[in-house]
Amino acid sequence: GIQVEQSPPDLILQEGANSTLRCNFSDSVNNLQWFHQNPWGQLINLFYIPSGTKQNGRLSATTVATERYSLLYISSSQTTDSGVYFCAVEPNQGGKLIFGQGTELSVKP
Amino acid sequence: EAQVTQNPRYLITVTGKKLTVTCSQNMNHEYMSWYRQDPGLGLRQIYYSMNVEVTDKGDVPEGYKVSRKEKRNFPLILESPSPNQTSLYFCASSWTGGGEKLFFGSGTQLSVL
Repeated sequence: GIQVEQSPPDLILQEGANSTLRCNFSDSVNNLQWFHQNPWGQLINLFYIPSGTKQNGRLSATTVATERYSLLYISSSQTTDSGVYFCAVEPNQGGKLIFGQGTELSVKP
Repeated sequence: EAQVTQNPRYLITVTGKKLTVTCSQNMNHEYMSWYRQDPGLGLRQIYYSMNVEVTDKGDVPEGYKVSRKEKRNFPLILESPSPNQTSLYFCASSWTGGGEKLFFGSGTQLSVL
């Protein structure tokens, strides 16, 4: 089946720094989403981005479907950005969703 | 308020004692799904449902059952829980399967002794 790999596995930043998280997938996909899990365990959808670029405030995401990767950019990081970031792909239309193992981000004040 | 509600939030049980984790959404979503989260393994899909009376296996369906008799509810059933099912479970829903923003419940921490 399709493999989803995220890098780096862990990241420590000083408040105000920028970061780039990467998601590689081993086959073509119908859909890709990014999620944030906060330190209390709540999962929030950040982007639905099967291709192209989207921006939402300090966060933006780019997916290059032909090269099978997606990037999540966090600018001017804040302590509230801490948590785990997951990407998830849908291999084909039908509802299956496969998650990467996540990038754990810690933003220090 | 639009939400996905899971119950209970925490559950401790013993091996072999049947249990049900409930999941309900108030957004009239067609798609619902269950995941388990384990350290180092991320989230893995257990079952999903594209609509009422339609369910399909995800990556780790063994030991679990689901039903989708009505659009708003999607309970997860463990007929005979075992310690390897100790995990954090999430329910999620969206308008359709894939291509839509996925909304998650708050999670259920299950411990099987």
